[in-house]
Amino acid sequence: GAVVSQHPSRVICKSGTSVKIECRSLDFQATTMFWYRQFPKKSLMLMATSNEGSKATYEQGVEKDKFLINHASLTLSTLTVTSAHPEDSSFYICSAGAGPDQPQHFGDGTRLSIL
Amino acid sequence: AQSVTQLGSHVSVSEGALVLLRCNYSSSVPPYLFWYVQYPNQGLQLLLKYTSAATLVKGINGFEAEFKKSETSFHLTKPSAHMSDAAEYFCAVSVVLYNFNKFYFGSGTKLNVKP
Repeated sequence: GAVVSQHPSRVICKSGTSVKIECRSLDFQATTMFWYRQFPKKSLMLMATSNEGSKATYEQGVEKDKFLINHASLTLSTLTVTSAHPEDSSFYICSAGAGPDQPQHFGDGTRLSIL
Repeated sequence: AQSVTQLGSHVSVSEGALVLLRCNYSSSVPPYLFWYVQYPNQGLQLLLKYTSAATLVKGINGFEAEFKKSETSFHLTKPSAHMSDAAEYFCAVSVVLYNFNKFYFGSGTKLNVKP
């Protein structure tokens, strides 16, 4: 089946550091990828939609300058958490699908811990 | 605005009993609907999807869901619960708005199965 690879799986870094997370669709092309944040014992909160060849669309309340998204190709989207602070510590998950009527395939997530 | 509401953050049933997990959606455009399951310390797994074909959709592990447009619902059912069904279940909606695909999750329902 379709596979989405997310890297790194875990990051621990100091406050003020910028962290880049990669999401790759390994065996299909994804014009759209999604980035989610999952708080402990909570559901996935859609942060933004990454669109290949155009700007990402952000959900209300998500800071565009804080969470930079680049969808450089049909198989790669990156999320950069800029100048991360402890409140940015969370579990970030990406997903990709072959279209709106197709199920999303999820990466294994990135556990971000900011000290 | 698009949204997904799952009534009941926790549902507890006895082994062998009917499982009913509720999902209602709000969408200004025709939605595609999905149910996912998340077992402890694992990623999300697709159970089933509705994509405007048959309104009664059968999925894996004996689960099924019925799309009812008049009720804006997509409840998940299983006739007889197994202990292995204990997990968290997420309802999700996918829509295309202004040519952009968006994918939203409900808050999740944790299913507990009692022996």
